[in-house]
Amino acid sequence: RKEVEQDPGPFNVPEGATVAFNCTYSNSASQSFFWYRQDCRKEPKLLMSVYSSGNEDGRFTAQLNRASQYISLLIRDSKLSDSATYLCVVPPGNFNKFYFGSGTKLNVKP
Amino acid sequence: DADVTQTPRNRITKTGKRIMLECSQTKGHDRMYWYRQDPGLGLRLIYYSFDVKDINKGEISDGYSVSRQAQAKFSLSLESAIPNQTALYFCAVAGTDRNEQFFGPGTRLTVL
Repeated sequence: RKEVEQDPGPFNVPEGATVAFNCTYSNSASQSFFWYRQDCRKEPKLLMSVYSSGNEDGRFTAQLNRASQYISLLIRDSKLSDSATYLCVVPPGNFNKFYFGSGTKLNVKP
Repeated sequence: DADVTQTPRNRITKTGKRIMLECSQTKGHDRMYWYRQDPGLGLRLIYYSFDVKDINKGEISDGYSVSRQAQAKFSLSLESAIPNQTALYFCAVAGTDRNEQFFGPGTRLTVL
């Protein structure tokens, strides 16, 4: 089983829609979780950090379910500029490495 | 000024050549990482370092070597480049407080 798994998508949604992505992880010792956004051929950029049950920043909400070992990212009122690939990142408990999901591609259409 | 810089940004080379990719940071973080990304695939860890005397192999270190010349500099070398090393290479840094990684802009390497 992979350390981190994501639905690759693509998720094709209209502007204004609400969309949610899930990410499952295998290491129950992980304590912190991250969502990154990556535009085509660009570097990943940190979108949200999750250290407890969840985090909210404007239109973006991340939630953690430790019992089922998944984190989710909810995007409300989608904008064209939200089109990107969203990467889930889970460090193991000792933070030696960061395990990346392969990413979920989002296309927001006019 | 960017916190994490990579040079060169693009490089085309031939099979068998030795190539060095450089990474510098101004964030003062101890942990530095090299990843490669191939189309449609996630980021794969090549090497990582927690300080100038600490070097660790990642999941795909074969064919690569690294040097941590200073806290702020971490170089990746391809000793004898081969075409399947054609990829986008990212350097990243992370602090020990919040464990968030910050990436450089990437180096696009093509091996002919």
